[in-house]
Amino acid sequence: DAKTTQPNSMESNEEEPVHLPCNHSTISGTDYIHWYRQLPSQGPEYVIHGLTSNVNNRMASLAIAEDRKSSTLILHRATLRDAAVYYCILRDETTSGTYKYIFGTGTRLKVLA
Amino acid sequence: DTGVSQNPRHKITKRGQNVTFRCDPISEHNRLYWYRQTLGQGPEFLTYFQNEAQLEKSRLLSDRFSAERPKGSFSTLEIQRTEQGDSAMYLCASTLGQGENTEAFFGQGTRLTVV
Repeated sequence: DAKTTQPNSMESNEEEPVHLPCNHSTISGTDYIHWYRQLPSQGPEYVIHGLTSNVNNRMASLAIAEDRKSSTLILHRATLRDAAVYYCILRDETTSGTYKYIFGTGTRLKVLA
Repeated sequence: DTGVSQNPRHKITKRGQNVTFRCDPISEHNRLYWYRQTLGQGPEFLTYFQNEAQLEKSRLLSDRFSAERPKGSFSTLEIQRTEQGDSAMYLCASTLGQGENTEAFFGQGTRLTVV
């Protein structure tokens, strides 16, 4: 089962910031928080990940709460190309010692022109 | 590098037929994953390979499903005696290692429709 909960959908106006929330109350001390997004008819693509500190890259910023039980993906200026399903993911360790992503249903972001 | 490649992109088959999908990971990636995604849901883990060894299989992977990764390069996923419930997008992903800084690269998927 997914270890994260996200709103089913959100809307944003083009060129405005978007804050996508995620709750992960059962997160362990060593779990990183990963974000992927899935554009229509595409496979998921990496957005950002982090452990404790806020993280920035060219695509987005990740703000992580001090207790690490929630995080927020920030798109600073949404464009129409950012319309996608955004997944907040904690990895799950398998019996073979590897890690797999457990996807929830994600947040469908709609960007209005 | 062209990324993870999956073929075919679409497959329509009659119930009861066998189908096979192929995934070509990024060339130096030693780990390969198969996921299944149904409409409105996130991807669900099916199986995992490290090089040529299949190390993990989900309970979702019934006896009708088999996956291989000969020589640790490309992988195939075969579904025998397809059922309508097998209709889904089948996604392949590859990684180099599995550290926390590892990024998973996904293919565009194969959409299967069983009629």
